[in-house]
Amino acid sequence: NAGVTQTPKFRVLKTGQSMTLLCAQDMNHEYMYWYRQDPGMGLRLIHYSVGEGTTAKGEVPDGYNVSRLKKQNFLLGLESAAPSQTSVYFCASRPLPRDGYTFGSGTRLTVV
Amino acid sequence: AQKITQTQPGMFVQEKEAVTLDCTYDTSDPSYGLFWYKQPSSGEMIFLIYQGSYDQQNATEGRYSLNFQKARKSANLVISASQLGDSAMYFCALEGNYGGSQGNLIFGKGTKLSVKP
Repeated sequence: NAGVTQTPKFRVLKTGQSMTLLCAQDMNHEYMYWYRQDPGMGLRLIHYSVGEGTTAKGEVPDGYNVSRLKKQNFLLGLESAAPSQTSVYFCASRPLPRDGYTFGSGTRLTVV
Repeated sequence: AQKITQTQPGMFVQEKEAVTLDCTYDTSDPSYGLFWYKQPSSGEMIFLIYQGSYDQQNATEGRYSLNFQKARKSANLVISASQLGDSAMYFCALEGNYGGSQGNLIFGKGTKLSVKP
C-alpha cells in the first residue's frame, strides 16, 4: 500500500506564482488534513476535510485554498505565493476521529 | 480553547537509559485523545502511541509508554532503554475542535531528543 502520497516533494516558487500540492491516499479514509511545519512552531493546521466534497478552515488558512472533489485526493492551492509561505507542508489522513494520522512524506516549498 | 505545551526544546539521554518527555494540555472537552509522534531527521512523521481520556490504563507500545495524569493534565512520553535510533523530534498532540468540528490534532512545538552513545 502506498498510504499517503504527496507531490511534489520539493518546489521553489517566485513570489506571486501559483501552484497546487496534491495529496492522495489509498486507504479509503474520510478525514484529510493539510498542515505546515515551521522551525520552532510545530505543525499548524491549514485546512481539513471530513469527507468528499467538504472542506473547512484550520488555524492558518489565509493565502491557501483546498478542494476535495474525490475522496482519495485533497488538493492545497497557493494562488499568489509569498515568502511567508516558505515551509514544509504535510498531508495526513485518518479513517475516523481518535484514530492516528497517517502522514505523507512532506513537501518542502521555498518562495523567493 | 485547546492548548498543548512541550516545555523541553531539547534533551539528551545516554544510550540504554530511560527518558521522559513532558507534555501538558488544556481542553474543556470531557472526551479527548492524546497522541505522540516521532519525526526523525529524514522528516517523516511516525505515530507512536495514543491515550484516550477515558482509558483506564496508561497506554504502552513496546518501549514507549504514556504517563497519563488526567488531574494534572499531563501526558508524558516515557522511552525505556533508549537507542541511537530514538534521536529525533517528538511531538505531543491533542485532539482539537476547530469550528465545532472534531477530528483535528493540535501539535506542541516538539522536543528534540538526542541519544548519546
